[in-house]
Amino acid sequence: EPEVTQTPSHQVTQMGQEVILRCVPISNHLYFYWYRQILGQKVEFLVSFYNNEISEKSEIFDDQFSVERPDGSNFTLKIRSTKLEDSAMYFCASSVTGTGDYGYTFGSGTRLTVV
Amino acid sequence: GESVGLHLPTLSVQEGDNSIINCAYSNSASDYFIWYKQESGKGPQFIIDIRSNMDKRQGQRVTVLLNKTVKHLSLQIAATQPGDSAVYFCAENRGNTPLVFGKGTRLSVIA
Repeated sequence: EPEVTQTPSHQVTQMGQEVILRCVPISNHLYFYWYRQILGQKVEFLVSFYNNEISEKSEIFDDQFSVERPDGSNFTLKIRSTKLEDSAMYFCASSVTGTGDYGYTFGSGTRLTVV
Repeated sequence: GESVGLHLPTLSVQEGDNSIINCAYSNSASDYFIWYKQESGKGPQFIIDIRSNMDKRQGQRVTVLLNKTVKHLSLQIAATQPGDSAVYFCAENRGNTPLVFGKGTRLSVIA
């Protein structure tokens, strides 16, 4: 069964450093998403991406965040200057349609720890 | 949205019993709903979905019920097994808007 692959599985970084979280969505999917989950809390939407541009973003996705699809397979989330409160699980997801039919397929996540 | 914090609602059931997990969704305009299962250290996994033109949908051992009048969604798991232990989230959207997740419920199955 096709999977969304995320790397690394765990990233520890110093406060103020830049991090790049990587994702390989399912190959025939056209819509891509980043969500985050602070420990013990619900999954929160960050950003959606379609046709090489951001289609929607949440209040969390401020100027410190950016996304990119540098080639035909990777989808990255960059945090320019990490803060302690950025510590969370970050999930990438992809879907065939933008309506969410059959749900998004999520990756296993990257646990980001900012120290 | 409201934060759950570290204290997720918890449901403990005996193995073999039926489980019912409830969710109150927030947007009356939402027309598509999904239940996700999240096991420890993993991403959310699709279980079952339902559109707003339906009030019930059945899958293998799972049933989703939708009550639009009171904005309530429930997930019923028949003959609950230890492998069903996880956190369960409902999610909603309308059209092309991103899925919005609700509060999770931790299901613990007692063998």
